Amino acid sequence: QVHLVQSGAEVKKPGASVKVSCKASGYSFTGYYIHWVRQAPGQGLEWMGWINPSSGGPIYAQKFQDRVTLTRDTSITTAYMELSSLRSDDTAVYYCARSASSGAPAYWGQGTLVTVSS
Amino acid sequence: DVVMTQSPLSLPVTLGQPASISCRSSQSLVHSDGNTYLSWFQQRPGQPPRLLIYKISDRFSGVPDRFSGSGAGTDFTLKISRVEPEDVGVYYCMQDTQFPFTFGPGTKVDIK
Repeated sequence: QVHLVQSGAEVKKPGASVKVSCKASGYSFTGYYIHWVRQAPGQGLEWMGWINPSSGGPIYAQKFQDRVTLTRDTSITTAYMELSSLRSDDTAVYYCARSASSGAPAYWGQGTLVTVSS
Repeated sequence: DVVMTQSPLSLPVTLGQPASISCRSSQSLVHSDGNTYLSWFQQRPGQPPRLLIYKISDRFSGVPDRFSGSGAGTDFTLKISRVEPEDVGVYYCMQDTQFPFTFGPGTKVDIK
């Protein structure tokens, strides 16, 4: 079955960077896009971007264009989201999700809490 | 960016009764390929979101048939035919027609 396992919680200082991993299993890794979505405490969902694991080509939401980098390593079926120049309002749970055949995020990781605090 | 709105934002429901959530987009969600990429998600407390419906009305694998989606263009609806206790949570619509994909603000469903 499809399974996405994310790396553990992180605490970072303002201005630092964080890299979250998303280990995929149970399907052909290069066959489906990986979305990244975040959720600030008590808030709604915010789409950050997605990556085509086959080509490695990402598409970013403009809001994050200058600070986010999506990559993948097909040899270990893992996707990564790196966010730089962290601010306190980047404190959130970050989710990866594999797309359904239609493209919608269908299979979600458990989430990674990133806390930005001085 | 396409702005998604939902109503109501809070929905107290009676067990066994129907419930309905509306979602509107600021632009038509019809893609150049002819499909409309409007999805619905359920998020229970402390859990990741769960895909319920995609392309307006297609139920995702394992989703009970009491959940249904409808609509076209800019107006969409999620219906629960008979609310069960496990349906408590926040429901989000999302458009994945146009980049950046965007979510609605969420509708909190709880039991009266």
